[in-house]
Amino acid sequence: EDQVTQSPEALRLQEGESSSLNCSYTVSGLRGLFWYRQDPGKGPEFLFTLYSAGEEKEKERLKATLTKKESFLHITAPKPEDSATYLCAVQARSWGGSQGNLIFGKGTKLSVKP
Amino acid sequence: NAGVTQTPKFQVLKTGQSMTLQCAQDMNHNSMYWYRQDPGMGLRLIYYSASEGTTDKGEVPNGYNVSRLNKREFSLRLESAAPSQTSVYFCASSLDRGQGSIQYFGAGTRLSVL
Repeated sequence: EDQVTQSPEALRLQEGESSSLNCSYTVSGLRGLFWYRQDPGKGPEFLFTLYSAGEEKEKERLKATLTKKESFLHITAPKPEDSATYLCAVQARSWGGSQGNLIFGKGTKLSVKP
Repeated sequence: NAGVTQTPKFQVLKTGQSMTLQCAQDMNHNSMYWYRQDPGMGLRLIYYSASEGTTDKGEVPNGYNVSRLNKREFSLRLESAAPSQTSVYFCASSLDRGQGSIQYFGAGTRLSVL
């Protein structure tokens, strides 16, 4: 069964304290791995898509990396405005029409204190 | 540029009542989705529509029906609401269901069933 697990569930950082969020996945074949940011009371907002092991993408203080079993979202020198829940999702190869669907992890809630 | 618009934003129902959640997108996307988000469960797919005129069940379709009214609009209906359907509902759309196709989310509908 295709599965996505995110850790930790919650992470508290001081402003400027760099860290990483983990997304481990078990899928029959990976078509893509997605990172989203979700602010309280809002819908998920797309950040990155990664396709193959070794790929990296960056946006401001965020960098996403991908291996064959997991992805990391590295946050460098975070600011309070980076506080949000970060969601990981995979698009897996499967029979029939469902292979266009995303399987989401439960998310990591990040709090950055000034 | 509205993106994905959901109505209503909040709703309170009594057990057994029915209602329809509305979703519209203005990005000329072919595919649309309905998810529910519950604490500790992550986002779970209820139904999706790969293209205008088609709908398919996702992971948790029981108790729901959908209608793809046209290319822009995709509605979710609760025929007889139950307390277990208390949740936050998100609509999303994507250009298609190809590899790496990004899903864009609305702001959500917060539903309480008493």
